[in-house]
Order: sequence, then structure tokens, then C-alpha cells
Amino acid sequence: AQSVAQPEDQVNVAEGNPLTVKCTYSVSGNPYLFWYVQYPNRGLQFLLKYITGDNLVKGSYGFEAEFNKSQTSFHLKKPSALVSDSALYFCAVRDSTSGTYKYIFGTGTRLKVLA
Amino acid sequence: DVKVTQSSRYLVKRTGEKVFLECVQDMDHENMFWYRQDPGLGLRLIYFSYDVKMKEKGDIPEGYSVSREKKERFSLILESASTNQTSMYLCASGLGWGGSSFDEQFFGPGTRLTVL
Repeated sequence: AQSVAQPEDQVNVAEGNPLTVKCTYSVSGNPYLFWYVQYPNRGLQFLLKYITGDNLVKGSYGFEAEFNKSQTSFHLKKPSALVSDSALYFCAVRDSTSGTYKYIFGTGTRLKVLA
Repeated sequence: DVKVTQSSRYLVKRTGEKVFLECVQDMDHENMFWYRQDPGLGLRLIYFSYDVKMKEKGDIPEGYSVSREKKERFSLILESASTNQTSMYLCASGLGWGGSSFDEQFFGPGTRLTVL
């Protein structure tokens, strides 16, 4: 069965410092991995995805994520946080060999960037 | 830009009422999804559809049904609303194959449903 874990409910970081939001996954086959962001009173917006190829994926708003197969992780990173990055972040996985378009989302991590 | 619209931002219904939540996408996407979002539980998949008139149960389908008569429209139906269905409901759509946006989901703004 597929699963996603976001071990931190909230991450606090000072503006200008690097940030990391953690995600680990479990699938039977090969994973397709995604990060989404949700600003207050809005739907989710796509940030980036890993399908295949380079383990370091770059996405919107200066975010990047590293796929680590041995640690089954896909942590979201940004070199220098902005106050405007404060939002709720969701990791999601789909098993590419499952034959279904069913996605599993994590419980979300609230990022708070302090000025 | 892909646009996914949901019929209401806020909805208040009474226990036992039949509730319809409508979702429309304008990008000819094959796949459409209904999720509910609850604090501490993240997004949970209720139903998804990969083609017109095709549907598949997600993780929490009990108490819900869906309808997809046209490619652009995916409806979620609460046959008899209950208080434990009070939640934020998010609709999403996505390409089923090919293209640079393959597998990304595009979300609507959500409907906050309160069942009294």
C-alpha cells in the first residue's frame, strides 16, 4: 500500500535562512512524487514533481526537492526563506506501476517564516 | 492557465439533506478527483474519475457518490448529509498521459461545507 509521512506538523525558520520540509514515502513500485503549497483560503498549487531522471528537482518560487531512493525521502528545500513562503505544504505520491491515478497526500506541514 | 472552478465557496446544509458539489475544469483533462481536507488528516481521496462515466473509489467513499456525464464536469453527491461530513472539499483535475504537465493536479479553491 502507498503511504506518505510528513513528520513535522510545523516548521519555523527565520527569513533568509535555508528551509527544509521533510517527506518520506512508501510504495510497492516506482514513485511519482509531488509537492503542493496551500495559501490561506486557497486551493493547492503545484510546486514540483519527480517522475524520473535527475534526483534534484527544481520548481516554482525557488523551491527544490531531492529524491533519495535509499532513504525513501523527497524533502522540500529552499536556500533562503521569505516571509511570503509561509503556507501549508503537502507531499504526495503515486505508484507509477499501480495502474491507477490514485494519489496519496501527506498530512501537511505548516511553514512559518519569521521576519 | 488551467482553471478549476467549484460551484460554492461556502455551503451550510442540514442533517439529512442531499447535497451537490459541482466542479468544472476547462483544460480537457481526463482525470478528475474529489478530496476532503481536515486538520491533522491532510487530503483524503473520496472518488476519482479517469473518463466520462468512469469512476473509482478512493479511500473514504462511504456516504458519497459521484457523477461524470461530461468530461469537464465532476459532481460530488452527499446522499444524506451528516455532521461528520462537515469539511473542506477540494476538486482537482489532471492529464492522464503525456505533456509537460503530466500527472500534476490542478485544484479548485475548495468548498467549505458545514452540516448542522
